[in-house]
Amino acid sequence: GENVEQHPSTLSVQEGDSAVIKCTYSDSASNYFPWYKQELGKRPQLIIDIRSNVGEKKDQRIAVTLNKTAKHFSLHITETQPEDSAVYFCAASNPGNTPLVFGKGTRLSVIA
Amino acid sequence: ETGVTQSPTHLIKTRGQQVTLRCSSQSGHNTVSWYQQALGQGPQFIFQYYREEENGRGNFPPRFSGLQFPNYSSELNVNALELDDSALYLCASSLGRARGANVLTFGAGSRLTVL
Repeated sequence: GENVEQHPSTLSVQEGDSAVIKCTYSDSASNYFPWYKQELGKRPQLIIDIRSNVGEKKDQRIAVTLNKTAKHFSLHITETQPEDSAVYFCAASNPGNTPLVFGKGTRLSVIA
Repeated sequence: ETGVTQSPTHLIKTRGQQVTLRCSSQSGHNTVSWYQQALGQGPQFIFQYYREEENGRGNFPPRFSGLQFPNYSSELNVNALELDDSALYLCASSLGRARGANVLTFGAGSRLTVL
């Protein structure tokens, strides 16, 4: 089955700097790669996702890149703000109504 | 449109007991997935229900079981509770076999503590 590895497990950046979180996946059939943000004590919320027919997607300060050949994808957050502090999870799934497999998460701290 | 709601939000049980967790899916969603999130870990897939049938199961023992009802709400039952079952149990709903099938909307979770 699919296996998703996520790095780093913790990340501290200064406010205004960029943050990059990387994930690798094992199943070449996977075609959907979402990123979820989970603030302390709250539910995971989808912040951006990408499907395998595109290599990059942007939404304001966040972007996701996908390299299908290397089987890795990354989350980029620019101009970080204190409210970006949270745990971020990447995930991957196969086509159709199949379950998401999550990475172990990255705790991002943005220092003001 | 309502989101995903879960109950109870917190509960404490002792080893060997049984627990039932409940989930109401987002309006228009016919698929419910359950995940276990241990402290400091990512969500682990337990199982998924689509139109009242189990539609995939993760690496969890048979004492984890579930149901989905005609209104697409769902229950997660865990028998013979063990200490390691202590976790946040997340329910997520989705559109099923439509284009947005994998896009999950999570509930706030039920935090289970087993003593």
